[in-house]
Amino acid sequence: AQTVTQSQPEMSVQEAETVTLSCTYDTSESDYYLFWYKQPPSRQMILVIRQEAYKQQNATENRFSVNFQKAAKSFSLKISDSQLGDAAMYFCAYRSAEGAQKLVFGQGTRLTINP
Amino acid sequence: EPEVTQTPSHQVTQMGQEVILRCVPISNHLYFYWYRQILGQKVEFLVSFYNNEISEKSEIFDDQFSVERPDGSNFTLKIRSTKLEDSAMYFCASSERFGNPGTWSYEQYFGPGTRLTVT
Repeated sequence: AQTVTQSQPEMSVQEAETVTLSCTYDTSESDYYLFWYKQPPSRQMILVIRQEAYKQQNATENRFSVNFQKAAKSFSLKISDSQLGDAAMYFCAYRSAEGAQKLVFGQGTRLTINP
Repeated sequence: EPEVTQTPSHQVTQMGQEVILRCVPISNHLYFYWYRQILGQKVEFLVSFYNNEISEKSEIFDDQFSVERPDGSNFTLKIRSTKLEDSAMYFCASSERFGNPGTWSYEQYFGPGTRLTVT
């Protein structure tokens, strides 16, 4: 079974600075997807960014980018120019590429933005 | 933009009562999911549903739980006899298949969740 581990329960960063959230995963599959979801206090799950394992290029979405290291099974999220609205829980998630599979989530990292 | 909706937003029930949580997936989606999140914990998969039957279920999804798509638009989660430990946020998600053969993608879109409180 696949597992996802987020070793940082909490992180904080100064507004406008850059922060990196860590995620590692374990799988025997070669093809899969990785995601970062944001969960603000409203508890809505918002997709931030997605990475296909077969793509070597790291995904980017505006101020959000990932560092995907397939051999190391590592998938970190970098948030540049942090904004107060980025404060939230961030969950890393894994999904097998075969079919409409379930998402497997990590424990989450609570990100605080200091003004 | 199409979105997944869930009702009610908050449900309070007494232990032993039956509850039905409702979801309206995005209209052209064919794959449906329920997840739950106990306060302060990670999001856990409960069940997936396709073509009017369960595709996969987790060990959490025991005989107390059932899912149904009664009318082609709603997707419901029923808990027959609620327990205190069922208190959680329940998320519905739906997905469609898109892309090309060999690299099909099934992007899941989440609803806003239903907070279930069992007293």
